[in-house]
Amino acid sequence: NAGVTQTPKFQVLKTGQSMTLQCAQDMNHEYMSWYRQDPGMGLRLIHYSVGAGITDQGEVPNGYNVSRSTTEDFPLRLLSAAPSQTSVYFCASSYLASRVSTEAFFGQGTRLTVV
Amino acid sequence: RKEVEQDPGPFNVPEGATVAFNCTYSNSASQSFFWYRQDCRKEPKLLMSVYSSGNEDGRFTAQLNRASQYISLLIRDSKLSDSATYLCVVKVAPPGGSYIPTFGRGTSLIVHP
Repeated sequence: NAGVTQTPKFQVLKTGQSMTLQCAQDMNHEYMSWYRQDPGMGLRLIHYSVGAGITDQGEVPNGYNVSRSTTEDFPLRLLSAAPSQTSVYFCASSYLASRVSTEAFFGQGTRLTVV
Repeated sequence: RKEVEQDPGPFNVPEGATVAFNCTYSNSASQSFFWYRQDCRKEPKLLMSVYSSGNEDGRFTAQLNRASQYISLLIRDSKLSDSATYLCVVKVAPPGGSYIPTFGRGTSLIVHP
């Protein structure tokens, strides 16, 4: 089982550059989300999706875009990277309703540095 | 008030000790509760779900107190390998919520020899 595959694992960007963090899951989960994790701040929700074609903003959406064209994929786009976006990014997915386990599965994370 | 609150710690305990963490939640309609574990520089992983009657998994015991709106995690006979951050997760069912998980900011546990 691949679970949640997140790429890249590491990335260095220059201020103003754009990039896309990829996230794919093979568990047919309805719910997918992106978090950033900074020291002392815990996981903060950036964007989430409850199904293909449906996305919504989380706690810290500014500077990020998402789309959900398929159930499997949920890419996160940084439009114009800023040093404040230096963080560890996690993608997560789960079932929404409690018909099966609603355990959230996480990707291995992307360590992004913006210089 | 944050939806899910945890004491960030760190809790610094010797091997063999018993340690307990609490997590409070603000939405009384919360329906599902979980504890996740996150090792340093790794992704969070499910430790255990929390059931209404309380549940145990080896050295770990989880409890839910709906009246006071908190969940707890008790770790007995702490091991060095238990050192990690423990995240509390709460889900709220529709129509007030959408089963989207809300994560606490985590409690850091350090077990020393």
